[in-house]
Amino acid sequence: DAKTTQPPSMDCAEGRAANLPCNHSTISGNEYVYWYRQIHSQGPQYIIHGLKNNETNEMASLIITEDRKSSTLILPHATLRDTAVYYCIVHLYNAGNMLTFGGGTRLMVKP
Amino acid sequence: ETGVTQSPTHLIKTRGQQVTLRCSSQSGHNTVSWYQQALGQGPQFIFQYYREEENGRGNFPPRFSGLQFPNYSSELNVNALELDDSALYLCASSFGQGGSYEQYFGPGTRLTVT
Repeated sequence: DAKTTQPPSMDCAEGRAANLPCNHSTISGNEYVYWYRQIHSQGPQYIIHGLKNNETNEMASLIITEDRKSSTLILPHATLRDTAVYYCIVHLYNAGNMLTFGGGTRLMVKP
Repeated sequence: ETGVTQSPTHLIKTRGQQVTLRCSSQSGHNTVSWYQQALGQGPQFIFQYYREEENGRGNFPPRFSGLQFPNYSSELNVNALELDDSALYLCASSFGQGGSYEQYFGPGTRLTVT
């Protein structure tokens, strides 16, 4: 799996959009970008995934650059409950379910 | 639909002892993966079981072993515990040997080795 680089921490004001960047410059053509988050003392939670098109679900939006070397997870209206560590993972589809977690970004949503 | 459950929640063991952690997968899932998460770090993959067979292993020594049962629940066994084994142990269930986008994680078992 390709390596990812994320800022170690970010702050966001409650109600504002949180934009979490991820660099994956060595991604290969058939690797997907996944995002998980881990709220303190809980197991990681799946958020969203994508290959090359932008994706949106009820939790977030995922914007992948055209060259696929970076992506941004967007939480449109951050709440205090979104305070968590966010992990960007690049993973080859159909290669087993072993996820390689990096250090992630610790997002702090402030009132 | 029942989520992933793990037991026990917390455990304290002494160096050299053996421990067994348990995981019940989400209904309909036939794959279980185990992860170790040291304090302040991301989860590290230990191994995965698919239909009762080991389906992949991370960089962990043989004293970490596992089982998956016909109902797809799973156990993680660690022998000869070391202080560095102190961590949060997470299990995650999913469907299929490969190609599942989502893994559903349990709340974890916090193991402390003294």
